[in-house]
This record gives sequence, structure tokens and C-alpha cells, in this order.
Amino acid sequence: AQSVTQLGSHVSVSEGALVLLRCNYSSSVPPYLFWYVQYPNQGLQLLLKYTTGATLVKGINGFEAEFKKSETSFHLTKPSAHMSDAAEYFCAVSVRGNKLVFGAGTILRVKS
Amino acid sequence: ETGVTQSPTHLIKTRGQQVTLRCSSQSGHNTVSWYQQALGQGPQFIFQYYREEENGRGNFPPRFSGLQFPNYSSELNVNALELDDSALYLCASSLDQGEHNEQFFGPGTRLTVL
Repeated sequence: AQSVTQLGSHVSVSEGALVLLRCNYSSSVPPYLFWYVQYPNQGLQLLLKYTTGATLVKGINGFEAEFKKSETSFHLTKPSAHMSDAAEYFCAVSVRGNKLVFGAGTILRVKS
Repeated sequence: ETGVTQSPTHLIKTRGQQVTLRCSSQSGHNTVSWYQQALGQGPQFIFQYYREEENGRGNFPPRFSGLQFPNYSSELNVNALELDDSALYLCASSLDQGEHNEQFFGPGTRLTVL
């Protein structure tokens, strides 16, 4: 069965610093992987997705993620954190029939 | 283009009651999925509807049921509410069942069971 593990329930970075949010997946078939962001009291917004092709995926707001099959990872990065990036981030894998299995989430705090 | 909408925004019920949550899918989308997000956790898949038929179900009891209408809007019904049903309920729509398709999420309905 597919599953997702997000390492670190809370990550704190300074404004302008690198953001790295970790995600490892387990899948018996080639995975479709997604990163979503959730701001307080709101729904989920897609940041980026990996389906096939290029393993480095660029998303909105300067985020990107690299699919590494050998490491079963799909870590999310952003070169320079902005205060507006403070939110909760979810990694997810899509299983048969487009059903998403989510990780537990990582809360990103950005310090000024 | 109208996005996914959900109603109501907030709801307070007592144990044993029944609740109906509603979702309007994005224009052109025929697939609707429902997720439960308990406080401090990631969303958990409840079930999915594709062209008015249930198309997969997560690990939720039968008192969680749903419908999809010809216009692809959807309802989630929960009977015999329990305290643990308190959560944010998210609806998401997508073009179809393809695993590569993005799911577009609504803002959610916050259900509190007292």
C-alpha cells in the first residue's frame, strides 16, 4: 500500500534562508506525487506535482521538488524563505483512481 | 471559472445527530473526493464519486455516506455523530479519475461535535 512520511512536524527558518521540507514515499507502482500548502483556516492549494518525465519539478511561489526514485524521496525546497511562506505543507501520493494519501504535514515557521 | 465551494463553513452538532455537508465541484469536473482532516493531522480519504457512482472508499464506517448529483455536486452525510467526528471536512474535485490529475480543494467545512 502507498504511504507518505514527512520528516519533521515543525520546521523553523529565518527569512531569506533555504527551505527544505522532507518527504519519503512508499509505493508498489510508479508514483504520482504532490505537494500541497494549507494556510490557517483554508483548504489545500497545489504547489507542484510529479507525474512523469523531468524529475526536478518547479511549482508556484518559487518552490521546487526533486523526485529521487533510488531514495524514494520527494523533498520540497525554496532557495529563500519569505514570511508569507509560513503555513502547513503536505506531501501526498496518488493511488489508483486518483485518491490521495497524505503525510502528517510539516508546519513551516519563518522568523524575521 | 468558479472553484470548489463548500457549505456550510462551520457547523456545531451534538453526539448522535446527523449532518449533511455540501460541495459544488469546479466546472467541467466529474470526480469528487471527500477527506477528513482531524486537528493536527493530514487529510484522510473518505470516499470518491465518479459520474454519480461511489468509486472507492477509505477506512470509514458505513455511517459516512454520500451522493453525487447529475451536475456533479456532492453531499457527505454522517449519521450518529461521535465526538471523534469533529474535524475539517474537505471536498476536492478533479477532471476525472486519472492519478495524474490535480485535485482542487474547497475551503472545507469545520464540524464540531459536542
